[in-house]
Amino acid sequence: EAQVTQNPRYLITVTGKKLTVTCSQNMNHEYMSWYRQDPGLGLRQIYYSMNVEVTDKGDVPEGYKVSRKEKRNFPLILESPSPNQTSLYFCASSFGPSGPYEADTQYFGPGTRLTVL
Amino acid sequence: GENVEQHPSTLSVQEGDSAVIKCTYSDSASNYFPWYKQELGKRPQLIIDIRSNVGEKKDQRIAVTLNKTAKHFSLHITETQPEDSAVYFCAAVPAGTYKYIFGTGTRLKVLA
Repeated sequence: EAQVTQNPRYLITVTGKKLTVTCSQNMNHEYMSWYRQDPGLGLRQIYYSMNVEVTDKGDVPEGYKVSRKEKRNFPLILESPSPNQTSLYFCASSFGPSGPYEADTQYFGPGTRLTVL
Repeated sequence: GENVEQHPSTLSVQEGDSAVIKCTYSDSASNYFPWYKQELGKRPQLIIDIRSNVGEKKDQRIAVTLNKTAKHFSLHITETQPEDSAVYFCAAVPAGTYKYIFGTGTRLKVLA
């Protein structure tokens, strides 16, 4: 089954304790992205990757790191989490450009609800 | 920076009526405009999208229109049903990027 998976689905942690949220897709998608969703703010892009070893900042990259060493995986790393990073996080992927510089349909993972105390 | 304004934030309609949600984008270089539906506790799912070389696109009861001059696009749902109740998000993507700029969402309630 074609899908985007995230782990863990729920996480409660404390300020300053490094954590990683994994994201994996089995659709051979080139493009992957991370978003956070907060009430009243919609979805905000954190980082995205257009292919292996190619990443770029979205709107809210501060406090986050990513890596894309394999095409299928795109982990989100919080080196020193803070309470303002409490949020619902979504990973997404797509095939990549359907034409020159054209974004394509994104498929979202199930979400990870993170609470930082 | 780039932004997308979405209105209204909440919308209640009677079953069978139409619903319209509007978005305005700031970056004139945007060329891809998807709409996502998010049911409670679920992930966003694409319901329809439109590219800048098209003015309108339909898929059964849903349609999207794009006015590039005014930099706004709208989602139209006809013959609404209770299962259409959800939060709807619009987004705009500037050409040459994968930077998705989302609107803040519209909570649609379809009253039976």
